[in-house]
Amino acid sequence: QAQLVESGGGVVQPGRSLRLSCAASGFKFSNYGMHWFRQAPGKGLEWVAVVFYDGSKTYYADSVKGRFTISRDNPKNMLYLQMNSLRDEDTAVYYCARDINSCYFDCWGQGTLVTVSS
Amino acid sequence: EIVLTQSPGTLSLSPGERATLSCRASQYISSSYLAWYQHKPGQAPRLLIYGASSRATDIPDRFSGSGSGTDFTLTISRLEPEDFAIYYCQQYGGSPLYTFGQGTKVEIK
Repeated sequence: QAQLVESGGGVVQPGRSLRLSCAASGFKFSNYGMHWFRQAPGKGLEWVAVVFYDGSKTYYADSVKGRFTISRDNPKNMLYLQMNSLRDEDTAVYYCARDINSCYFDCWGQGTLVTVSS
Repeated sequence: EIVLTQSPGTLSLSPGERATLSCRASQYISSSYLAWYQHKPGQAPRLLIYGASSRATDIPDRFSGSGSGTDFTLTISRLEPEDFAIYYCQQYGGSPLYTFGQGTKVEIK
């Protein structure tokens, strides 16, 4: 059974960095595009970034472009999100998910909370 | 940017009743690129419907999706206790690549 488990969240000061991880199991990780999403308190879901199945391409939401970097390690079945220059508005639960045909997302993790606060 | 507007914001219904949720796009969307998700607090979002009307794996047939162009609907024919949650529509293909509606909360009346 496909499973995704995020880790790495926590409390961090504005301007600092944090790296999130997502461990995949139960499926052939290297066959799927992988994404990060987030949900700020009281808000809806927001797409953050995608990395192609082979790591060849990445795309970002404008709100994180230039500050966040998505990457993957296929032999280790791991997805990462390096978050730099964090802002208060980056406070959210962060989810990883795999995509189907680059259109929708059929497997999600339960999320990890990132709180940016001084 | 393609904006998805969901209505109503909250739907108060009793178990056994029918729920009809709307998702309206600010511009045309191919049906292939419209999906619906169920999200409960503290849990992973769950894909319900993809391609506007196809049920995802293991989704009960009380969930159905319809619509095209700019107007899409998720229908839950008879609400079960486990169906009370927040529901999001999602589209692919605009800029940003993926956007979600703001959600409809289905709560117990």
